Amino acid sequence: DIQMTQSPSSLSASVGDRVTITCRSSHNINNNLNWYQLKPGKAPKLLIYAASALQSGVPSGFSGSGSGTDFTLTISSLQAEDFATYYCQQSLTTPYSFGQGTKLEIK
Amino acid sequence: EVQLVESGGDSVQPGGSLRLSCAASGFTFSTYEMNWARQAPGKGLEWISYISGSGIDVRYADSVRGRFTVSRDNAKNALYLQMDGLKAEDTAIYYCARDDSPAPDSKHAFDLWGQGTMVTISS
Repeated sequence: DIQMTQSPSSLSASVGDRVTITCRSSHNINNNLNWYQLKPGKAPKLLIYAASALQSGVPSGFSGSGSGTDFTLTISSLQAEDFATYYCQQSLTTPYSFGQGTKLEIK
Repeated sequence: EVQLVESGGDSVQPGGSLRLSCAASGFTFSTYEMNWARQAPGKGLEWISYISGSGIDVRYADSVRGRFTVSRDNAKNALYLQMDGLKAEDTAIYYCARDDSPAPDSKHAFDLWGQGTMVTISS
């Protein structure tokens, strides 16, 4: 099975900050990497698919990069609504494993 | 409206069974591969099952294989998860999620999720 490791597990930041979250896979997954945002009581939201493609309707302040085993999610300028938990997920092969999550909190 | 709505969550004793349902609307359900995922209290997301559009190809996480069964009724636009032999560690919010594109073009990103249904396993 492919293991996904995110860092950091939590992050404190302020509105307007630039934030980067990293995700590493245990095997080469090419660009089969997706990013999700999860807020309590809400359905998870797909932000980035295929490592760098912005999902329709997602603000352009979100971006993804990477290939192979190392990936990043960047939020260029944090908005109040961006404080949430973020997960990476590999979709190369089942089990479609998620990272352990990064909780983004207000400083 | 394009949406997924889960139902069937409940509180049951260890060893019990539950059947979750996911009602799909607003898209051609039969052409999309579907998944179940869950989030235990205080834990991260866990993918648990996949089913192809026809229902022929099914896959499971090791944590549920042999106890859970995924199925679908394309005539009813419905996805199901039969859960047997439930354990305390199955306590979680269960989500159904749609693959991003109709097969065979899907990259298996989950672009549409339901709000989730809570399953609690406790004696």
